[in-house]
Amino acid sequence: KNQVEQSPQSLIILEGKNCTLQCNYTVSPFSNLRWYKQDTGRGPVSLTIMTFSENTKSNGRYTATLDADTKQSSLHITASQLSDSASYICVVSGQGSSNTGKLIFGQGTTLQVKP
Amino acid sequence: DTAVSQTPKYLVTQMGNDKSIKCEQNLGHDTMYWYKQDSKKFLKIMFSYNNKELIINETVPNRFSPKSPDKAHLNLHINSLELGDSAVYFCASSPGTQRRYEQYFGPGTRLTVT
Repeated sequence: KNQVEQSPQSLIILEGKNCTLQCNYTVSPFSNLRWYKQDTGRGPVSLTIMTFSENTKSNGRYTATLDADTKQSSLHITASQLSDSASYICVVSGQGSSNTGKLIFGQGTTLQVKP
Repeated sequence: DTAVSQTPKYLVTQMGNDKSIKCEQNLGHDTMYWYKQDSKKFLKIMFSYNNKELIINETVPNRFSPKSPDKAHLNLHINSLELGDSAVYFCASSPGTQRRYEQYFGPGTRLTVT
């Protein structure tokens, strides 16, 4: 069964600290993996997208890694800011038709950055 | 310039009523989606339309009926609302089915059924 699991479920850190969010998936065949940031009361916004051949991709203070062999991805946030408080959702896209290759969403990690 | 917009943002209604949520995208995308996000924050796809044609229809009660008058609009009509329908509903769009992973989400509509 195609699944995406994220950990931890929630996380509280102090402003300025780093943190790493994890995403494990069982989607096969794999096409790509995307991290979304969802602020409270808003829709998800894409941070990064990783394809099979990519190991690391950065977007400012956000760095995503992908290990396609172990089917794991991580999102590392450096020097956290209060505005990083949000839910971070890992989304995996499988190969196939538009119907069989649906996006599989993780349940998200809720990050709270405290001053 | 809003890319994907939804109306209303909040909707409070009583059980048994019929309501609609509207979605519009100005990105020129071919594919639009409706998602339901429950209290546990899981996003679950409900429907997907490509050029006004239904391509994904998950196991959703037939009280939910999507309508796409043109490829820039995908509305969601819900009949006989139930308490369990309370959730946040997100509309999204993508350039096409081959680029379904490039989804742009609307701000969401929080539906509360009392």
